[in-house]
Amino acid sequence: AQSVTQLGSHVSVSEGALVLLRCNYSSSVPPYLFWYVQYPNQGLQLLLKYTSAATLVKGINGFEAEFKKSETSFHLTKPSAHMSDAAEYFCAVSARAGGTSYGKLTFGQGTILTVHP
Amino acid sequence: KAGVTQTPRYLIKTRGQQVTLSCSPISGHRSVSWYQQTPGQGLQFLFEYFSETQRNKGNFPGRFSGRQFSNSRSEMNVSTLELGDSALYLCASSQTNGGSYEQYFGPGTRLTVT
Repeated sequence: AQSVTQLGSHVSVSEGALVLLRCNYSSSVPPYLFWYVQYPNQGLQLLLKYTSAATLVKGINGFEAEFKKSETSFHLTKPSAHMSDAAEYFCAVSARAGGTSYGKLTFGQGTILTVHP
Repeated sequence: KAGVTQTPRYLIKTRGQQVTLSCSPISGHRSVSWYQQTPGQGLQFLFEYFSETQRNKGNFPGRFSGRQFSNSRSEMNVSTLELGDSALYLCASSQTNGGSYEQYFGPGTRLTVT
């Protein structure tokens, strides 16, 4: 079974500082990996995805993530935080094969990012 | 293209009642997945439909059911509501049946059971 662990339920940074949100996955084979962001009272918006092409993936709003198979990690980073980045971030994994993987994303518990002026 | 739409956005029901939630996927998307989001359990997968067939189901009781229509619109139904069913219900659509394609989420339906 797949699982995702997000280290740190809350992360606080100053505006302009580096954002680092951690995600580790557990899967028997390298899965597909995603980062989503959720603003209050809204659904989830896709930031970026890894599907076995380049290991460094660039997403929207200046975010990027690096897939490291040896560390089973997919950490999300942004060089300079903006006030508008304050939200909850979810790492998710999807299996490559069909069957029990159809349409199923397994999510981490989420990390709330706070950005201080 | 219009995004995923969900109706209604907010619902208040009483224990024991049933409820039906609706989801319209992005045009051309044939896969629709449903998730339940609660503060305690986080985001949990309910089920997925593709071409009117349920292909995958999460670990939820039989009170939770769904269906998909020929135009890919989907509904989920919860019968005999319990207080613990209070949650944000999210639907997501995807372009293909492959696992690599991202899911696009709707704004959710906030269900409150009293």
